[in-house]
Amino acid sequence: QSVLTQPPSASGTPGQRVTISCSGSNSNIGSNTVHWYQQLPGTAPKLLIYSNNQRPSGVPDRLSGSKSGTSASLAISGLQSEDEADYYCAVWDDSLNGRVFGGGTKLTVL
Amino acid sequence: EVQLVESGGGLVKPGGSLRLSCAASGFTFSIYNMNWVRQAPGRGLEWVSSISTSGSYIYYADSVKGRFTISRDNAKNSLYLQMNSLRAEDTAVYYCAREDSLQSFDPWGQGTLVTVSS
Repeated sequence: QSVLTQPPSASGTPGQRVTISCSGSNSNIGSNTVHWYQQLPGTAPKLLIYSNNQRPSGVPDRLSGSKSGTSASLAISGLQSEDEADYYCAVWDDSLNGRVFGGGTKLTVL
Repeated sequence: EVQLVESGGGLVKPGGSLRLSCAASGFTFSIYNMNWVRQAPGRGLEWVSSISTSGSYIYYADSVKGRFTISRDNAKNSLYLQMNSLRAEDTAVYYCAREDSLQSFDPWGQGTLVTVSS
């Protein structure tokens, strides 16, 4: 059971907008910044969003992140087949004194 | 090009030991905190351990505390993970990842597979 709760799956059709949620607590999301990672099948994870809502260079602006209280979310608009991947949220947890990842959300493009 | 390359994975019996290495290139290794993250087959990501630039600050996940030891050699641009008393549940792909000043992990290595089985 992960400290951060993500839906196990999400789906959408090409062009649609999908949102992936990440729910935590005051000791993690409530007091630290959230990062999001994308893992394409058979590859290493890649940083997608850092510090709640910042995109590294090369990440398209149709991907965005937000945080409110003890929850965060990743939004992908203009869904494309190449977005089919696993997505993970991550944050430092002050109580555990360590990093925690969400359980991951498998995004399917129908 | 910034690159992280893990090595040292393999098949080991329960109770055995293994030492993973992560060779860094393309950046000033000594000024970055570094991390190990693992992923069991078909499962999600699990943070394992982190080490500060000089090795002064080290953190472990409860699942590996007392069995795994993280270390680094800045002169050799290398990160290590000594894994002792290995269990079947330690079977996973182990990734090393650079931690930037905002505590995100970028980039990640390609991973090395550790299989604990008799």
